[in-house]
Amino acid sequence: NAGVTQTPKFQVLKTGQSMTLQCAQDMNHEYMSWYRQDPGMGLRLIHYSVGAGITDQGEVPNGYNVSRSTTEDFPLRLLSAAPSQTSVYFCASSYRGGAEADTQYFGPGTRLTVL
Amino acid sequence: AQKVTQAQTEISVVEKEDVTLDCVYETRDTTYYLFWYKQPPSGELVFLIRRNSFDEQNEISGRYSWNFQKSTSSFNFTITASQVVDSAVYFCALSDIKGGNQFYFGTGTSLTVIP
Repeated sequence: NAGVTQTPKFQVLKTGQSMTLQCAQDMNHEYMSWYRQDPGMGLRLIHYSVGAGITDQGEVPNGYNVSRSTTEDFPLRLLSAAPSQTSVYFCASSYRGGAEADTQYFGPGTRLTVL
Repeated sequence: AQKVTQAQTEISVVEKEDVTLDCVYETRDTTYYLFWYKQPPSGELVFLIRRNSFDEQNEISGRYSWNFQKSTSSFNFTITASQVVDSAVYFCALSDIKGGNQFYFGTGTSLTVIP
């Protein structure tokens, strides 16, 4: 079990560029989420998905798009990068029910810098 | 609205001292989960504990213990006989299980254990 994987680990973008952060999990988890971590602010939810084909916005969705075509993958797209999107991005997944219900397991993170 | 407060931004202790990290939460839900995660200097988020809102029993795992009190909406974390390897940022989180497992994180407590 690889758990939750994220690529790339580091990325530098110029303002206005677009890119996709990849996230995959091999635990057959229904729920997947994207968070951003900024100094002094903890982690904030960007978008989440409760299953393939179903996504919804979190606390800070502006400037980001997601889709979930398979259970395993949940990519995060930055449409037109801005310096305010400089952050560390974490993907997480969890079971919907059972003894481990709602315990989110996190990927290693992607550190993004927008110049 | 859900909210998690970790009032202690930074704590320093000398090795072998005990330390308690505070977590206070707000929610109108009667069913929810509370979590603690550890983020060591390497950056990954490590799951430590999940507590159901109906289970107020304290939990002990080795040097770690957790005190959940619904009456004061607190879920405090104590490390006994701290070690240098405990140096990390610790996050408390509340899950909104109605809304697709959205997590609400506190801003974290940075613990430094001095040898």
